[in-house]
Amino acid sequence: DIVMTQSPDSLAVSLGERATINCKSSQSVLYSSNNKNYLAWYQQKPGQPPKLLIYWASTRESGVPDRFSGSGSGTDFTLTISSLQAEDVAVYYCQQYYSSITFGQGTRLEIK
Amino acid sequence: QVQLVQSGAEVKKPGSSVKVSCKASGGTFSSYTISWVRQAPGQGLEWMGRIIPILGIANYAQKFQGRVTITADKSTSTAYMELSSLRSEDTAVYYCARAVNWFDPWGQGTLVTVSS
Repeated sequence: DIVMTQSPDSLAVSLGERATINCKSSQSVLYSSNNKNYLAWYQQKPGQPPKLLIYWASTRESGVPDRFSGSGSGTDFTLTISSLQAEDVAVYYCQQYYSSITFGQGTRLEIK
Repeated sequence: QVQLVQSGAEVKKPGSSVKVSCKASGGTFSSYTISWVRQAPGQGLEWMGRIIPILGIANYAQKFQGRVTITADKSTSTAYMELSSLRSEDTAVYYCARAVNWFDPWGQGTLVTVSS
């Protein structure tokens, strides 16, 4: 199985500041035939199911604020929140769908 | 707009089985894949398996092979996840989700508590 490792495990950022979450896969999730990275990002708030934010590593889901962006390729990926809002407090997960399905362990984002 | 509504919370004894349902509305049920993901208390997300209703074909994460069965009833647009030989470590919220490759939308989750 592809192992997904997120860093950090938790993060505290001031309102209005940038938050950066990293995700590293144990092998490349870039499919060479279509040049797409098989990686998604989710946001989960307490008591709620996860919500899709990003797919194909950098495509924002419809309705997701543009302060959320995804980048990276191959084995290293980043989710960036450009200006943290109070409603962004949540746990964030990356997920690969290149080979079966695996998730990162999650990163808890809080307000400093 | 696809919506997934799951069955209610369950309390089960160790060694028993549980069957959770996931009813879809909107969209064409048979044309997409339904996956099951679980989340133990305070823990992360764990994929269990998926089914393609139009084909009736399911595949499972290796960890759950032999203990989980995922089925689908096209006539009622409902998917099911049955987990057997329950143990305390199976206490978790179980989610269904429509899977393109990523998961969206998700059901509201079903808490399964395994306790003697």
